[in-house]
Formats: sequence, structure tokens, C-alpha cells
Amino acid sequence: AQSVAQPEDQVNVAEGNPLTVKCTYSVSGNPYLFWYVQYPNRGLQFLLKYITGDNLVKGSYGFEAEFNKSQTSFHLKKPSALVSDSALYFCAVSSSSASKIIFGSGTRLSIRP
Amino acid sequence: NAGVMQNPRHLVRRRGQEARLRCSPMKGHSHVYWYRQLPEEGLKFMVYLQKENIIDESGMPKERFSAEFPKEGPSILRIQQVVRGDSAAYFCASSPLSGTQGAKGYTFGSGTRLTVV
Repeated sequence: AQSVAQPEDQVNVAEGNPLTVKCTYSVSGNPYLFWYVQYPNRGLQFLLKYITGDNLVKGSYGFEAEFNKSQTSFHLKKPSALVSDSALYFCAVSSSSASKIIFGSGTRLSIRP
Repeated sequence: NAGVMQNPRHLVRRRGQEARLRCSPMKGHSHVYWYRQLPEEGLKFMVYLQKENIIDESGMPKERFSAEFPKEGPSILRIQQVVRGDSAAYFCASSPLSGTQGAKGYTFGSGTRLTVV
């Protein structure tokens, strides 16, 4: 069975500071890892994904994520936060043999001016 | 490309009524997934369908819920005899290939917000 954990319900960061949103996963086999963002009353938008290759994945809006196999983590990062980054962020995982993506509970990111 | 289209955007039903949620996948996508999002919670997988087939319904409640994706027309998520606990946002996603083989995983619709009164 696959699962994903986002240990922080909320992350607060000042604009211009770096941000990190944490994610750990559990899956049998090689993981397919994703980050999505959800703005109020909207569907989820794809940010980035990792399947294989470089452990550092670059995605939309200046976000990146680092795959760490030994720690089974896939933390989302951005060097300099913007107020417009405030939203709900979901980490997600799928195994190479499964066909559905399982989502974490989400982390609300709040960037203060 | 209009993206994944869900309708209605908002649906209000009285307890005991039926709710029908529709999802038209992106053009060229033959795989559809339904997720439910309860207030202040994450997305819970419900069902995965391909044209005319249910591939994985492990997240569907055993009673009152059903889903279909006919050869022609949108995918339908049907909830019979709705109860207040069914109030949630229901999201549909589609992909051109099975599972995670698409370049961006899934493409999501904007959701249907069901309110049971």
C-alpha cells in the first residue's frame, strides 16, 4: 500500500524568505512523486513530478523539490517566497505498478508581506 | 483544449435525493479518476475508470455511490439518497495514459461542490 504524509498543517513564511513544505512517503517499488497546488475554489494544478533521474526537480512558479530515497522524503522548496504563493499544497505518490495517485492531507502555505 | 470540465460547479440537494456529477475529460484522455475532498481535508481517491470499464473502485463507499464512463459522453458519479455527510467537493481528473505515465500526472477539473441540506 502506498501512503504520503505531510506533517505540517500550516507553514507561515515572510515574503522574500525561503520556504520548505515537507512530505514523506511510503510505497513498494520505485515511487512516482508529485506536488500539486490548490487555490481557493479551484481544482489542483500540477507543479512538478519525480520519476527518475536528478534528485532535484524543478517545476512551475520557481518551485523545486528534492527526492531523498534514504529518508523517503520529497520536500517542496522555493528560494524566495511570494505573497501569491499562498495556497494549499498537496504532495502525492504512486507506485510504478499502481494506477492511482494518493494524496497527502495538504499543507496550507501562508506568505505574509 | 477546454481542459477537464465538471458540472455543475455547485449542487444543492435535500437529504434523500440523488446527486449526479458529470465530468468530461480532456480531449484525447481516456482515463478518469474521481476524488472527494471534505472540508479542510485532503483528497481521497474514489474510483478510476476507463471507457466503459471500472478499473479500481477501492475508494468508493459500498452503498449509494456508483460511477460510470460510457463509450459516448461524460463520466458520471452518482450518489443516491444523499446524506449530510456527503457534502464535499468532488474532483475529477483525467490522463491520456494509465496512472502516472502522463507528463503531468493528472489534469484536474475545478470540482463540483455538493451541499446536502
